[in-house]
Amino acid sequence: DVKVTQSSRYLVKRTGEKVFLECVQDMDHENMFWYRQDPGLGLRLIYFSYDVKMKEKGDIPEGYSVSREKKERFSLILESASTNQTSMYLCASSLGRGRTLIGELFFGEGSRLTVL
Amino acid sequence: SQKIEQNSEALNIQEGKTATLTCNYTNYSPAYLQWYRQDPGRGPVFLLLIRENEKEKRKERLKVTFDTTLKQSLFHITASQPADSATYLCALLYSGGGADGLTFGKGTHLIIQP
Repeated sequence: DVKVTQSSRYLVKRTGEKVFLECVQDMDHENMFWYRQDPGLGLRLIYFSYDVKMKEKGDIPEGYSVSREKKERFSLILESASTNQTSMYLCASSLGRGRTLIGELFFGEGSRLTVL
Repeated sequence: SQKIEQNSEALNIQEGKTATLTCNYTNYSPAYLQWYRQDPGRGPVFLLLIRENEKEKRKERLKVTFDTTLKQSLFHITASQPADSATYLCALLYSGGGADGLTFGKGTHLIIQP
Protein backbone atom coordinates (compact mmCIF):
# COMPACT_ATOMS: atom_id res chain seq x y z
CA ASP A 1 0.00 0.00 0.00
CA VAL A 2 1.12 3.53 -0.73
CA LYS A 3 1.99 5.42 2.37
CA VAL A 4 2.25 9.17 2.71
CA THR A 5 3.55 10.15 6.11
CA GLN A 6 3.33 13.63 7.57
CA SER A 7 5.73 14.36 10.39
CA SER A 8 3.35 15.95 12.85
CA ARG A 9 -0.39 15.44 13.39
CA TYR A 10 -0.78 18.46 15.66
CA LEU A 11 1.37 21.56 16.07
CA VAL A 12 0.94 24.73 18.08
CA LYS A 13 3.18 27.64 17.13
CA ARG A 14 3.42 31.32 17.95
CA THR A 15 3.05 34.18 15.50
CA GLY A 16 6.33 34.86 13.75
CA GLU A 17 7.81 31.41 14.29
CA LYS A 18 9.25 29.43 11.40
CA VAL A 19 7.34 26.22 10.81
CA PHE A 20 8.42 23.12 8.91
CA LEU A 21 5.94 20.49 7.81
CA GLU A 22 7.53 17.35 6.44
CA CYS A 23 6.02 14.78 4.13
CA VAL A 24 7.48 11.47 2.95
CA GLN A 25 6.02 9.02 0.43
CA ASP A 26 7.22 5.48 -0.16
CA MET A 27 5.95 4.69 -3.67
CA ASP A 28 8.43 6.53 -5.87
CA HIS A 29 5.76 9.00 -7.02
CA GLU A 30 6.84 11.86 -9.21
CA ASN A 31 4.21 14.36 -8.09
CA MET A 32 3.83 15.71 -4.59
CA PHE A 33 1.39 18.34 -3.32
CA TRP A 34 0.63 20.52 -0.34
CA TYR A 35 -2.97 21.55 0.30
CA ARG A 36 -4.65 23.37 3.11
CA GLN A 37 -8.21 22.62 4.11
CA ASP A 38 -10.49 25.05 5.90
CA PRO A 39 -14.19 24.76 6.76
CA GLY A 40 -16.32 26.15 3.96
CA LEU A 41 -13.34 26.62 1.64
CA GLY A 42 -12.44 23.04 0.83
CA LEU A 43 -9.03 21.88 -0.34
CA ARG A 44 -6.81 24.58 -1.79
CA LEU A 45 -3.49 23.87 -3.48
CA ILE A 46 -0.51 25.70 -2.01
CA TYR A 47 2.38 24.23 -4.01
CA PHE A 48 3.15 21.15 -5.99
CA SER A 49 6.27 19.49 -7.32
CA TYR A 50 6.57 17.18 -10.31
CA ASP A 51 10.25 16.33 -9.90
CA VAL A 52 13.16 16.77 -7.54
CA LYS A 53 14.00 20.45 -7.11
CA MET A 54 11.01 21.41 -9.29
CA LYS A 55 8.18 23.33 -7.67
CA GLU A 56 5.24 25.31 -8.90
CA LYS A 57 2.85 27.64 -7.15
CA GLY A 58 -0.70 26.56 -6.62
CA ASP A 59 -3.68 28.76 -5.86
CA ILE A 60 -2.54 30.18 -2.52
CA PRO A 61 1.29 30.23 -2.28
CA GLU A 62 1.62 33.51 -0.40
CA GLY A 63 3.34 33.07 2.95
CA TYR A 64 4.62 29.59 2.10
CA SER A 65 7.66 28.03 0.48
CA VAL A 66 8.55 24.43 -0.30
CA SER A 67 11.57 22.23 -0.72
CA ARG A 68 12.04 18.98 -2.59
CA GLU A 69 15.64 17.84 -2.37
CA LYS A 70 14.81 14.13 -2.62
CA LYS A 71 12.08 12.43 -4.61
CA GLU A 72 10.36 10.94 -1.59
CA ARG A 73 10.29 14.09 0.57
CA PHE A 74 8.39 17.35 0.17
CA SER A 75 8.57 20.01 2.85
CA LEU A 76 6.29 22.97 3.44
CA ILE A 77 7.81 25.99 5.17
CA LEU A 78 6.04 28.88 6.82
CA GLU A 79 8.78 31.49 7.14
CA SER A 80 6.88 33.58 9.68
CA ALA A 81 3.67 31.96 10.85
CA SER A 82 0.57 34.09 11.15
CA THR A 83 -2.78 33.37 12.78
CA ASN A 84 -4.49 33.15 9.39
CA GLN A 85 -2.33 30.14 8.62
CA THR A 86 -4.10 28.12 11.30
CA SER A 87 -5.45 25.23 9.27
CA MET A 88 -5.30 21.54 8.39
CA TYR A 89 -2.41 20.89 6.02
CA LEU A 90 -2.55 17.87 3.76
CA CYS A 91 0.29 16.38 1.76
CA ALA A 92 -0.41 14.13 -1.23
CA SER A 93 1.50 12.24 -3.88
CA SER A 94 0.68 10.71 -7.24
CA LEU A 95 2.20 9.18 -10.29
CA GLY A 96 3.09 11.71 -12.94
CA ARG A 97 4.82 12.33 -16.25
CA GLY A 98 6.33 15.77 -16.39
CA ARG A 99 3.61 18.14 -15.20
CA THR A 100 0.91 15.62 -16.09
CA LEU A 101 -1.08 13.97 -13.35
CA ILE A 102 -1.62 10.24 -13.73
CA GLY A 103 -4.32 8.66 -11.64
CA GLU A 104 -5.35 9.44 -8.12
CA LEU A 105 -3.85 11.31 -5.21
CA PHE A 106 -2.69 9.52 -2.08
CA PHE A 107 -3.03 11.74 0.97
CA GLY A 108 -1.31 11.79 4.31
CA GLU A 109 -3.26 11.97 7.55
CA GLY A 110 -2.88 15.72 7.79
CA SER A 111 -1.13 18.16 10.11
CA ARG A 112 -3.36 20.42 12.13
CA LEU A 113 -1.48 23.66 12.77
CA THR A 114 -2.61 26.25 15.28
CA VAL A 115 -0.84 29.61 15.27
CA LEU A 116 -1.38 31.66 18.42
CA SER B 1 -13.20 30.56 -13.83
CA GLN B 2 -13.45 26.86 -13.12
CA LYS B 3 -16.01 25.91 -10.54
CA ILE B 4 -17.08 22.65 -8.93
CA GLU B 5 -20.21 22.51 -6.80
CA GLN B 6 -21.30 19.90 -4.33
CA ASN B 7 -24.30 20.13 -2.06
CA SER B 8 -22.94 21.87 1.01
CA GLU B 9 -25.76 20.71 3.24
CA ALA B 10 -25.52 17.38 5.01
CA LEU B 11 -27.36 14.50 3.39
CA ASN B 12 -29.28 12.24 5.78
CA ILE B 13 -30.16 8.78 4.49
CA GLN B 14 -31.79 5.82 6.18
CA GLU B 15 -29.64 2.71 6.49
CA GLY B 16 -30.22 0.29 3.63
CA LYS B 17 -31.30 2.99 1.17
CA THR B 18 -29.28 4.32 -1.75
CA ALA B 19 -27.40 7.54 -1.13
CA THR B 20 -26.88 9.78 -4.16
CA LEU B 21 -24.42 12.67 -4.11
CA THR B 22 -24.09 15.28 -6.84
CA CYS B 23 -21.08 17.05 -8.32
CA ASN B 24 -21.68 19.81 -10.87
CA TYR B 25 -19.01 21.68 -12.78
CA THR B 26 -18.79 24.67 -15.09
CA ASN B 27 -16.29 25.94 -17.64
CA TYR B 28 -14.41 22.68 -17.87
CA SER B 29 -13.56 20.36 -20.67
CA PRO B 30 -12.90 17.44 -18.35
CA ALA B 31 -10.32 14.72 -18.68
CA TYR B 32 -11.59 12.77 -15.70
CA LEU B 33 -13.37 13.08 -12.39
CA GLN B 34 -12.48 11.43 -9.09
CA TRP B 35 -14.37 10.77 -5.88
CA TYR B 36 -12.75 10.66 -2.45
CA ARG B 37 -13.96 9.84 1.03
CA GLN B 38 -12.79 11.86 4.02
CA ASP B 39 -13.38 10.96 7.66
CA PRO B 40 -13.15 13.65 10.38
CA GLY B 41 -9.56 14.67 11.09
CA ARG B 42 -8.15 12.36 8.40
CA GLY B 43 -6.85 12.79 4.86
CA PRO B 44 -9.08 11.99 1.87
CA VAL B 45 -9.02 8.47 0.48
CA PHE B 46 -9.51 7.78 -3.22
CA LEU B 47 -12.58 5.79 -4.21
CA LEU B 48 -13.27 5.92 -7.94
CA LEU B 49 -12.11 7.60 -11.14
CA ILE B 50 -14.27 8.06 -14.23
CA ARG B 51 -12.99 9.37 -17.55
CA GLU B 52 -14.83 11.84 -19.78
CA ASN B 53 -15.60 9.13 -22.34
CA GLU B 54 -17.08 6.78 -19.72
CA LYS B 55 -20.72 6.90 -18.66
CA GLU B 56 -20.58 4.73 -15.55
CA LYS B 57 -18.13 3.04 -13.20
CA ARG B 58 -18.85 0.55 -10.41
CA LYS B 59 -16.93 -0.76 -7.46
CA GLU B 60 -18.74 -3.03 -5.01
CA ARG B 61 -21.61 -0.90 -3.58
CA LEU B 62 -20.36 2.27 -5.27
CA LYS B 63 -21.43 3.62 -8.63
CA VAL B 64 -20.34 6.80 -10.39
CA THR B 65 -21.93 8.32 -13.48
CA PHE B 66 -20.55 11.11 -15.63
CA ASP B 67 -22.71 13.22 -17.92
CA THR B 68 -20.57 15.72 -19.83
CA THR B 69 -23.66 17.24 -21.45
CA LEU B 70 -25.22 18.07 -18.09
CA LYS B 71 -21.73 18.76 -16.64
CA GLN B 72 -22.57 16.50 -13.72
CA SER B 73 -21.36 13.42 -11.90
CA LEU B 74 -23.53 11.37 -9.57
CA PHE B 75 -22.07 9.16 -6.85
CA HIS B 76 -24.27 6.37 -5.51
CA ILE B 77 -23.84 4.15 -2.48
CA THR B 78 -26.30 1.28 -2.52
CA ALA B 79 -27.41 -0.61 0.62
CA SER B 80 -25.94 2.21 2.70
CA GLN B 81 -24.53 1.51 6.16
CA PRO B 82 -23.75 3.79 9.12
CA ALA B 83 -20.04 3.13 8.39
CA ASP B 84 -20.53 4.97 5.07
CA SER B 85 -21.06 8.20 7.00
CA ALA B 86 -18.29 10.60 5.96
CA THR B 87 -17.61 13.61 3.75
CA TYR B 88 -17.34 12.82 0.06
CA LEU B 89 -15.27 15.02 -2.25
CA CYS B 90 -15.32 15.15 -6.01
CA ALA B 91 -12.29 16.37 -7.93
CA LEU B 92 -12.06 17.19 -11.61
CA LEU B 93 -9.03 17.32 -13.86
CA TYR B 94 -9.61 19.40 -16.96
CA SER B 95 -8.26 18.42 -20.35
CA GLY B 96 -4.77 19.71 -20.90
CA GLY B 97 -4.41 20.53 -17.24
CA GLY B 98 -1.19 19.82 -15.45
CA ALA B 99 -0.84 18.32 -12.02
CA ASP B 100 -2.17 21.58 -10.60
CA GLY B 101 -5.31 21.21 -12.71
CA LEU B 102 -7.10 18.91 -10.26
CA THR B 103 -9.80 20.99 -8.60
CA PHE B 104 -11.73 19.76 -5.59
CA GLY B 105 -15.31 20.45 -4.60
CA LYS B 106 -15.99 21.42 -1.00
CA GLY B 107 -17.54 18.05 -0.20
CA THR B 108 -20.90 16.71 0.93
CA HIS B 109 -21.33 15.36 4.44
CA LEU B 110 -23.27 12.10 4.31
CA ILE B 111 -24.98 10.73 7.41
CA ILE B 112 -26.42 7.21 7.32
CA GLN B 113 -28.91 6.76 10.14
CA PRO B 114 -29.52 3.32 11.65
